[in-house]
Amino acid sequence: GENVEQHPSTLSVQEGDSAVIKCTYSDSASNYFPWYKQELGKRPQLIIDIRSNVGEKKDQRIAVTLNKTAKHFSLHITETQPEDSAVYFCAAIYSNYQLIWGAGTKLIIKP
Amino acid sequence: DGGITQSPKYLFRKEGQNVTLSCEQNLNHDAMYWYRQDPGQGLRLIYYSQIVNDFQKGDIAEGYSVSREKKESFPLTVTSAQKNPTAFYLCASTPASGGADHTGELFFGEGSRLTVL
Repeated sequence: GENVEQHPSTLSVQEGDSAVIKCTYSDSASNYFPWYKQELGKRPQLIIDIRSNVGEKKDQRIAVTLNKTAKHFSLHITETQPEDSAVYFCAAIYSNYQLIWGAGTKLIIKP
Repeated sequence: DGGITQSPKYLFRKEGQNVTLSCEQNLNHDAMYWYRQDPGQGLRLIYYSQIVNDFQKGDIAEGYSVSREKKESFPLTVTSAQKNPTAFYLCASTPASGGADHTGELFFGEGSRLTVL
C-alpha cells in the first residue's frame, strides 16, 4: 500500500552542526512533500514544502531536496540551534489528495 | 483572529462513556480532518470530510464517529467501542478539497488530550 518511510527515528547532533532527515515514498504520482515540526505537547506546524517540479528549496537554515527518480526527499537543517529540538514529520500527498505521514524523527540538539 | 479551535484541551473519560471533541474553524476551509497521535508515534487519520454533509473513513475509523453539518464544524465522537482511546487528538483543515493546485498543507488545532480512567 501507500506508505512513507522516515529515517532516523532519533537524531542527536551537536549545536551548530547540520542535521539531515530522509524519507522515501512509494507512489510515483505524489507531487507535494511537506515537512512539519512538532514541539512537545504542541501542534505540528509546516516548516517547508516542495513540489515535484523542483529539486531543491531553501528557507534560511532549512532546505528540502527531492529525488523523484529514487522517490527520496530529505530535510536539511544547518547551523542547528537549541530551538530546533523537536519531532519532525515528513509527508507525501497521494492521488486521493490525502497526506501519508512518516513516523517522525526526534531531533535532539546537544549544547 | 482566524484559526482552528479545539475543545476541550484535556478530557478524562470513564470506560464505557462516549465523549465528543469539538473542532471549529473560521478559515473558510473546505476540508477537515481528525488525526490520532499516540506517544512517540506519527499521525494516523481517523476521518476526513471534503465537503459539508459528506465524510470518509481514514485508516483507524473503528470506534469513532463524525458529522459535518456545517462547513465550520467537524466534531469527533469517541465511542465506547474504541478499545484504547487514550491519545492526543488533532483536528486540521485545508483550503481546498482537491484539484491541480491542491497542496495538502494542513492547518492544525492545538489538540485535545483524552485520558480514559
